[in-house]
Amino acid sequence: ETGVTQSPTHLIKTRGQQVTLRCSSQSGHNTVSWYQQALGQGPQFIFQYYREEENGRGNFPPRFSGLQFPNYSSELNVNALELDDSALYLCASSLPGAYEAFFGQGTRLTVV
Amino acid sequence: SQQGEEDPQALSIQEGENATMNCSYKTSINNLQWYRQNSGRGLVHLILIRSNEREKHSGRLRVTLDTSKKSSSLLITASRAADTASYFCATDSGGYNKLIFGAGTRLAVHP
Repeated sequence: ETGVTQSPTHLIKTRGQQVTLRCSSQSGHNTVSWYQQALGQGPQFIFQYYREEENGRGNFPPRFSGLQFPNYSSELNVNALELDDSALYLCASSLPGAYEAFFGQGTRLTVV
Repeated sequence: SQQGEEDPQALSIQEGENATMNCSYKTSINNLQWYRQNSGRGLVHLILIRSNEREKHSGRLRVTLDTSKKSSSLLITASRAADTASYFCATDSGGYNKLIFGAGTRLAVHP
């Protein structure tokens, strides 16, 4: 167990809807990154939050947005869901200045 | 986009055999990490090797890094059925916790 928890574990949404995924980071970790993992692929970096500010974004459209709260927990929001958004969404927290990331178990999102 | 490629994409071996996975990457790095993923769930950090290191050991794991060839290998010795998982290399080209992953190697270890 990494101490990083994500909710929900599974989710089914309809195309066009909006979804919010949640992540509780490990104690003391003020950096949280979100990754999208399509079936059979490696995770792809979506964005990172550090001290409640976005600190870098991968190649994802603006309908992917996030928040980080004072307790370092985080949310990933996806608007106008598309079928291709179906994937495992992973949250990873890390200590300041550390390269090792601690991953949660992920949220499996299915868009129908 | 994916940073690198893992080779092979899939590997099937018997318990007790060694498993070797290779990873290539494209840009300069500060370090390279290997992660393990069971059945499409969360990733677990295995080992980190810095760009100025050539080899690192952790238990039954041995990692090598060749920055001139932009490649790394992960060796799992005396494999066990519990080692069955997908293994990913990840580079830090994006910065702290902005990892760039390869597509992974799916390892199956048969009893």
